[in-house]
Order: sequence, then C-alpha cells, then structure tokens
Amino acid sequence: AQSVTQPDIHITVSEGASLELRCNYSYGATPYLFWYVQSPGQGLQLLLKYFSGDTLVQGIKGFEAEFKRSQSSFNLRKPSVHWSDAAEYFCAVGDNNAGNMLTFGGGTRLMVKP
Amino acid sequence: ETGVTQTPRHLVMGMTNKKSLKCEQHLGHNAMYWYKQSAKKPLELMFVYNFKEQTENNSVPSRFSPECPNSSHLFLHLHTLQPEDSALYLCASRRDVDNYGYTFGSGTRLTVV
Repeated sequence: AQSVTQPDIHITVSEGASLELRCNYSYGATPYLFWYVQSPGQGLQLLLKYFSGDTLVQGIKGFEAEFKRSQSSFNLRKPSVHWSDAAEYFCAVGDNNAGNMLTFGGGTRLMVKP
Repeated sequence: ETGVTQTPRHLVMGMTNKKSLKCEQHLGHNAMYWYKQSAKKPLELMFVYNFKEQTENNSVPSRFSPECPNSSHLFLHLHTLQPEDSALYLCASRRDVDNYGYTFGSGTRLTVV
C-alpha cells in the first residue's frame, strides 16, 4: 500500500526567506503526486500536481515542487515566503489502481515570522 | 468558495445526540467523499460514493452513517458518538473522468462532549 511521510510537523521561516517542505512517498508504480494547502478553517486547495514529464512542476502562488524518483521525494519549494503563506501543507499520492484515491501525509504547519 | 458547501461549519453534540452533516455541490461532479481530519493524524478517507452508490467504506464505525440521495448531495448521519470522534469532517467531490480533480469543502468542525 502507498504511504506518504512529511517529516516536519512544524516549520517556521521569516518572511522573504526561502522555503522547502519535505515529502517522501512509498508507491509501487509511477506515482501521481500532489501538494495541497489548508488555511485555518478552510478546506484543501490544490497547489500543484505531478503526473509525468518534467520533474519540476510549477503551481499556484509561486510554489514549485520537484519529483526525484531516486529519493522517492516530492519536495515543495518557494523562493520567497509571504505572511499569507502561513497554513498547513499536505502532500498526497494518488493510487491509480484504487479508483484514483488520495493518500495524504500528516501535514506540515508553516508559520511565517515578520 | 470552492463550489463544495458544507453545513454546519461548527457542531457541538452530546454523546447521545443524533445529528447530520451536509455537503452540497453543483459542479457537475459525480463522485463524493467524506474525510476525517483529526489533530496530529493524516486525513482519513471514510466513505466514497460514485453515482450515488457507495463504493468505499473504510472500516468506519456504524455510528457514522452516510447517505447520498443524488449526485449533488451527501450527508453524514451521526449518532451515539464518542469524544474521540471530534474532528474536522471534510467533504470532497470530483468528476470520475477527471482524474484527481478533487474539490474540497471547508469542513464541519465537530466537537463531541
């Protein structure tokens, strides 16, 4: 069965600093990978997704993620964080053999210092 | 607004109460999902409905009872819950031909006292 690990439960960065959120997955085939963001009191919003092709994918709000098969990773990055980026971020893997179900990681809560 | 509307936004209920959560979408999606989001745990898939038929029940206790009367509405009926059932309950929907095009609602924050 597939699984997703987000090693960092909390991360604090200063506004304007760069950001990298880690995600490692376990999946037997070529994975479909996703990053979602959840602001307080809100549902999940899709930031970006990787299905195939270029391993560096661009998303909304200035985020990007890089798929590294050799490391089973799909880390999320942003070159300059804004205070409005404070939220919880979830990495997920899609299972094509199970009706396209999503399996989520535990999430990383991002705090932004002024 | 994402197009998936959940009501109520907040709910406090006693362990002997019966209540229902509602999810509604008019996006033309035909698959609907209930997820449970507890503190310090990954999102857990509870139920899946495709074209009003339940296709997944992820070992959820019978005190949670889903209902999908049509492709636009999904309910989660609650009865005799436990304090550990307190969580954020998220609804999501998608079109089955749109792989992974999930749209999530804002959730219902449930507290069982």
